[in-house]
Amino acid sequence: EDQVTQSPEALRLQEGESSSLNCSYTVSGLRGLFWYRQDPGKGPEFLFTLYSAGEEKEKERLKATLTKKESFLHITAPKPEDSATYLCAVQARRWGKFQFGAGTQVVVTP
Amino acid sequence: DTAVSQTPKYLVTQMGNDKSIKCEQNLGHDTMYWYKQDSKKFLKIMFSYNNKELIINETVPNRFSPKSPDKAHLNLHINSLELGDSAVYFCASSQDETGELFFGEGSRLTVL
Repeated sequence: EDQVTQSPEALRLQEGESSSLNCSYTVSGLRGLFWYRQDPGKGPEFLFTLYSAGEEKEKERLKATLTKKESFLHITAPKPEDSATYLCAVQARRWGKFQFGAGTQVVVTP
Repeated sequence: DTAVSQTPKYLVTQMGNDKSIKCEQNLGHDTMYWYKQDSKKFLKIMFSYNNKELIINETVPNRFSPKSPDKAHLNLHINSLELGDSAVYFCASSQDETGELFFGEGSRLTVL
């Protein structure tokens, strides 16, 4: 059965304290792995798509990487405005739907 | 110039009532979706339409009925509301069935 598991569930960081979020997945034939950011009371906002193992994408203080079993979202020197829930989703080749993980809630304190 | 807009943002209603949520996207996308986010924050696909045609219909009670009058609109009608229907419902769109999703701000439904 296809699964997406994110860890940790919650992460509290001091401003400037770098860390990584994990997204482990089991899916037959990955079409793409997606990262989203969700602020309270808002819809998820697209960050990155990764298609193959070894691929990396960067945006400001965020960097996403992909292996055959997991993806990491690295947050370098985070700022309070990086506080949000980060969601990972996978899409398999055989079906069009996205399967989401439960998310990691990140709080960055000044 | 909101990309994906849904109304209403909040819905509070009694059990047994019928309600609708409307969604419109101005991105020119071909595919639209309804997702349900429960209290544990899991986002689950409910329906997907491509160019007004239903392509994904998850195991959702038939009290839920989507309607797509054109490819820019996807509405969700819910009959005989139950307590367990309380959740945030998100509309989303994508260029095609493989592209990234663009979400609306969500409609929080509370059934009393």
